[in-house]
Amino acid sequence: EIVLTQSPATLSLSPGERATLSCRASQSVDTSLAWYQQKPGQAPRLLIYDASTRATDIPARFSGSGSGTDFTLTITGLEPEDFAVYYCQQRRNWPPWTFGQGTEVEI
Amino acid sequence: QVQTVESGGGVVQPGTSLRLSCAASGFSFSRCSMHWVRQAPGKGLEWVAVTGRDGRTQYYADSVKGRFSISRDNSQNTMYLQMDSLRTEDTAMYFCARELLGSGYLDFWGQGTLVSVSS
Repeated sequence: EIVLTQSPATLSLSPGERATLSCRASQSVDTSLAWYQQKPGQAPRLLIYDASTRATDIPARFSGSGSGTDFTLTITGLEPEDFAVYYCQQRRNWPPWTFGQGTEVEI
Repeated sequence: QVQTVESGGGVVQPGTSLRLSCAASGFSFSRCSMHWVRQAPGKGLEWVAVTGRDGRTQYYADSVKGRFSISRDNSQNTMYLQMDSLRTEDTAMYFCARELLGSGYLDFWGQGTLVSVSS
């Protein structure tokens, strides 16, 4: 099973700042990695897949990069609605599909 | 409009059973693999099970293997999760999610149904 480790656990930032979230895989997942956003009381939403492809209707301020074992989600210019929990997920080796433990971006 | 509506959650005692449903609309259900993902209160996401497009293939997380069974009825655009021998650690919000074009990524999620296992 591929283990995904996200860091930091919590990121405290202000609107307008840049957020940089990390996801590290226990073995290579090539570029088979996605990022999801989850707000309190809501279902997760797919933001990025294949490490760097934005999903439908996702704003350009969200970008993903990386390959192999190290990945980054960058949010350039945080908007108030971006404060949420973010999860990475791999689809390289399945089952199981695995998620990271999450990074909370807080004000 | 793509929509999935989960139902069937509730409060049950350990050792009992529950059947969750996920009713889909607004897309070609039979062309999509479908997953169940759960989230314990205050915790992260845990993948539970997947069913292939025709329902002939299923995979499970080790934590539920042998106790949970995933199925689908493409004529009714509905997916199910039969949960037997429930444990307190199965307490979670259960989401159904659509897989994006066979990609392994989950591009649409329902709002979830809450399962609470408690004595």
